[in-house]
Amino acid sequence: DTEVTQTPKHLVMGMTNKKSLKCEQHMGHRAMYWYKQKAKKPPELMFVYSYEKLSINESVPSRFSPECPNSSLLNLHLHALQPEDSALYLCASSQEKGNTEAFFGQGTRLTVV
Amino acid sequence: QQQVKQSPQSLIVQKGGISIINCAYENTAFDYFPWYQQFPGKGPALLIAIRPDVSEKKEGRFTISFNKSAKQFSLHIMDSQPGDSATYFCAGLQDTGRRALTFGSGTRLQVQP
Repeated sequence: DTEVTQTPKHLVMGMTNKKSLKCEQHMGHRAMYWYKQKAKKPPELMFVYSYEKLSINESVPSRFSPECPNSSLLNLHLHALQPEDSALYLCASSQEKGNTEAFFGQGTRLTVV
Repeated sequence: QQQVKQSPQSLIVQKGGISIINCAYENTAFDYFPWYQQFPGKGPALLIAIRPDVSEKKEGRFTISFNKSAKQFSLHIMDSQPGDSATYFCAGLQDTGRRALTFGSGTRLQVQP
């Protein structure tokens, strides 16, 4: 199984809502990543977890709050987002942090209204 | 610097032709250079990758050429097919320090039948 599963696939939320994005992998990978991708742009790194500890936070606004409950799960909690936060949010995992092959999920298409 | 510069931004090729995408990097600490392929509505998927001690790597119709002295690498897609129409991202990864992918800006490839 080389899948990274993200739910939901699509999400529309208001600026006062609280929602969460979920990511799951069963490849035994110990590094997990959140990326944000705007249309026609490359993925932009947000957070990296290594062995369930936050390793990199790319100065992401606090309205995005990551959580890694265990080695297979990664959440991204969203609160008080802005319309400019609308994007494709991608989760990825790799065997170790910086390990050569990263596997990406299909992403959650988020629209903030 | 961590930047990876990619060109062209978009590319139209006839079926059966050769598609060539170029990347240049600045960070000499990069020691792994993958290419990712992304179809609309999907997450990026690893296509082929190379390490700087090798000048060329071929997998099927896909070839990476690497010029360490010029800090440049390129993707060649031979016998391009309509199914290759996608966005391609080059990236760099270093095995120390930040240890997260740095993506190029992407190339949108369209292969015409």
